[in-house]
Amino acid sequence: AQRVTQPEKLLSVFKGAPVELKCNYSYSGSPELFWYVQYSRQRLQLLLRHISRESIKGFTADLNKGETSFHLKKPFAQEEDSAMYYCALRNTGGFKTIFGAGTRLFVKA
Amino acid sequence: SAVISQKPSRDICQRGTSLTIQCQVDSQVTMMFWYRQQPGQSLTLIATANQGSEATYESGFVIDKFPISRPNLTFSTLTVSNMSPEDSSIYLCSVEYGGTTSGNTIYFGEGSWLTVV
Repeated sequence: AQRVTQPEKLLSVFKGAPVELKCNYSYSGSPELFWYVQYSRQRLQLLLRHISRESIKGFTADLNKGETSFHLKKPFAQEEDSAMYYCALRNTGGFKTIFGAGTRLFVKA
Repeated sequence: SAVISQKPSRDICQRGTSLTIQCQVDSQVTMMFWYRQQPGQSLTLIATANQGSEATYESGFVIDKFPISRPNLTFSTLTVSNMSPEDSSIYLCSVEYGGTTSGNTIYFGEGSWLTVV
């Protein structure tokens, strides 16, 4: 069965510190992995996807098929990064996307 | 990008009543999705709505409770029927759109926050 696990409900770091939001998935095929972000009073929006191999707002995420992980990283957290982050999985060729429980990131000044 | 408008943004409903949520997209899209996000929990897919066909419901969700309409490529409605306090939740409309080299992107509406009393 498809499953996305985000073990941390809340992650609090100081400004300038590195941050890593963990995501593990369970899927028998080759999934597409995404990170979505929801800032306060804004709608949920795509942050990045693994197939693009891009860095958005300083965030990167590498798909590790051996560990079935897609952790989100940023070397120096900023206060404006405070938000709710959701890891999501879509099966290749499919159209259903499932979401992890989400991690609330709080960056302290 | 696709811009999604949902109405109502929030409502307080009496138990036993029904409420219809509207979702309007500024672009034509094939697939529209309805999610539920209960307090403190993640998004759960309710159903997928394609224009011209019946919606496909996920396990645990049935058409009698959550009837969906999809009359055209830019509009859909979700009705929450015979509501109980357990239906208190944020209901989100989303679409796949884009077709870029990186694939489609999922866009979300702002959500409809329903409280059943």
